[in-house]
Amino acid sequence: AQSVTQLDSHVSVSEGTPVLLRCNYSSSYSPSLFWYVQHPNKGLQLLLKYTSAATLVKGINGFEAEFKKSETSFHLTKPSAHMSDAAEYFCVVTLYNQGGKLIFGQGTELSVKP
Amino acid sequence: NAGVMQNPRHLVRRRGQEARLRCSPMKGHSHVYWYRQLPEEGLKFMVYLQKENIIDESGMPKERFSAEFPKEGPSILRIQQVVRGDSAAYFCASSPMDWGRNTIYFGEGSWLTVV
Repeated sequence: AQSVTQLDSHVSVSEGTPVLLRCNYSSSYSPSLFWYVQHPNKGLQLLLKYTSAATLVKGINGFEAEFKKSETSFHLTKPSAHMSDAAEYFCVVTLYNQGGKLIFGQGTELSVKP
Repeated sequence: NAGVMQNPRHLVRRRGQEARLRCSPMKGHSHVYWYRQLPEEGLKFMVYLQKENIIDESGMPKERFSAEFPKEGPSILRIQQVVRGDSAAYFCASSPMDWGRNTIYFGEGSWLTVV
């Protein structure tokens, strides 16, 4: 069975400093992994996805994530936080043959201080 | 190309009433998924539908909840005799046929409040 654990429920950074949102997954087979962002009372926007190609995945808005099989991790990073990055971030796992049956982490709320 | 459209965006129902949430997938998408987000939690899969077929309903509560995706028209998530615990955000997503190589796209959600 697949599962995903987001290690921090809340992360606070200052504008212009790096962002690190941590995610560990559990999967019996090669998973597909995603990061989604949700702004307050809004839907989800896909930031990036890993589907067994390059292990370093670049996404939108300067975000990237690295798939590390040995550590079962898929941490999300950004070199320099912007105020508009403040939102809820979800790490998501699924198997290629599970259709759209995504397994969501509990979410990490990112706060960005001026 | 319009995205996944959900309506209503906000719905208030009294306990015991029925709630109907509608979802129109993106153009060309034949697969629809419903997810529920309870307060302070991540999204939980409810049901996966194709036109006129329920493919996977393993996440649906056994009673009061049903979903359909008719040949014509939007997908409907129906909650009968709502209770306070049904208060949540309900998200619809859609994808083209070959999901394995495509992303699924989410709507902006329908927020149900049961009073």
